[in-house]
Amino acid sequence: AQKITQTQPGMFVQEKEAVTLDCTYDTSDPSYGLFWYKQPSSGEMIFLIYQGSYDQQNATEGRYSLNFQKARKSANLVISASQLGDSAMYFCAMREGRSSYKLIFGSGTRLLVRP
Amino acid sequence: SQTIHQWPATLVQPVGSPLSLECTVEGTSNPNLYWYRQAAGRGLQLLFYSVGIGQISSEVPQNLSASRPQDRQFILSSKKLLLSDSGFYLCAWSVGLISNQPQHFGDGTRLSIL
Repeated sequence: AQKITQTQPGMFVQEKEAVTLDCTYDTSDPSYGLFWYKQPSSGEMIFLIYQGSYDQQNATEGRYSLNFQKARKSANLVISASQLGDSAMYFCAMREGRSSYKLIFGSGTRLLVRP
Repeated sequence: SQTIHQWPATLVQPVGSPLSLECTVEGTSNPNLYWYRQAAGRGLQLLFYSVGIGQISSEVPQNLSASRPQDRQFILSSKKLLLSDSGFYLCAWSVGLISNQPQHFGDGTRLSIL
């Protein structure tokens, strides 16, 4: 079974509007971390936001917020006030366990911001 | 501040030729180091990780190998490249076993095998 599932291969959003990128995960470990990365066309992976499994509040970083629904095993990324520079691939990733080195990545969502 | 350097940025190699990709990290000591491969339009697949000099763990059996000759240097190698080795290779580092610390990536190497 897929550990990380991103069901939206591609999405469009109008500039200045908000957009939600979906991510569901599968783990039986009570301790895990969820990460979102942005990959522009140039290729580098840019860390955006982190949510721990024991965190009580949803993570926020500037225009990025994470809609964490633990019971549903979802960790959706919300980008508010979209900008043209937000056009990129977005990857959700999970680290299982307290001492795991491994990040498991989803297949990504390509976001295109329209002017 | 910490930086990660990866080179070359692009590489075109014939089948059967050797490979050496290098990655170095500055501004931190004893980082965890990682090599990932990304096929076109796909997510990242972890190939190797290292928690210290000379310590290499392999995630996927293949004709690639990794070495860590110095604390902040990580090298990905192959003796004979295959067509299936084409892809985008990313090096990353992270701090210790702190679970909420992200991995930080280099700019990647685009490898094309002819």
